[in-house]
Amino acid sequence: DTAVSQTPKYLVTQMGNDKSIKCEQNLGHDTMYWYKQDSKKFLKIMFSYNNKELIINETVPNRFSPKSPDKAHLNLHINSLELGDSAVYFCASSQVAGATIYFGEGSWLTVV
Amino acid sequence: GESVGLHLPTLSVQEGDNSIINCAYSNSASDYFIWYKQESGKGPQFIIDIRSNMDKRQGQRVTVLLNKTVKHLSLQIAATQPGDSAVYFCAETTGGGSNYKLTFGKGTLLTVNP
Repeated sequence: DTAVSQTPKYLVTQMGNDKSIKCEQNLGHDTMYWYKQDSKKFLKIMFSYNNKELIINETVPNRFSPKSPDKAHLNLHINSLELGDSAVYFCASSQVAGATIYFGEGSWLTVV
Repeated sequence: GESVGLHLPTLSVQEGDNSIINCAYSNSASDYFIWYKQESGKGPQFIIDIRSNMDKRQGQRVTVLLNKTVKHLSLQIAATQPGDSAVYFCAETTGGGSNYKLTFGKGTLLTVNP
């Protein structure tokens, strides 16, 4: 059983398009996250949600809109994609904020 | 050997040797630290953690050392194996309450030569 699963794993799309990445965790965790990893492997938090409520928004452009329909799901919608959005996006979860974070396998987004 | 480098530090070791990966953290108030391993094409995986009230913690073939005086963390891998080849990240918790978040270091690429 995959603890944190995200889809799609690979996504290639044109500039200006809108796309979504879905994430689900079956660990019963309260807190979920989106992290972005750039081409230099640097991992940076984008958002965190605690029990469906937005807690952290790390000055991410408004084009990125997370949505948490329930505490087991945190989806990421991106509008008007730009070349600089190309990266690997990781969904993650933790029991509570500050506990060990468990990551999904990543979604490779390429904007052309 | 120790990790060096300006961008993504790299460490190359022979199979069977011990590896030491170093990390400097920034926030003296951080009270929880985690090492993650990221294999190519996968997400980061938890290896070992340590709280600030400890200076050493051991797992299976791995040891984490914490020096709060100089804000330094290290990961020691004993008898390194080819399967240990990956990028290793240290992470520190920052913030408080529900604003806790993990802030990651730059990562070190470990290559194990057979």
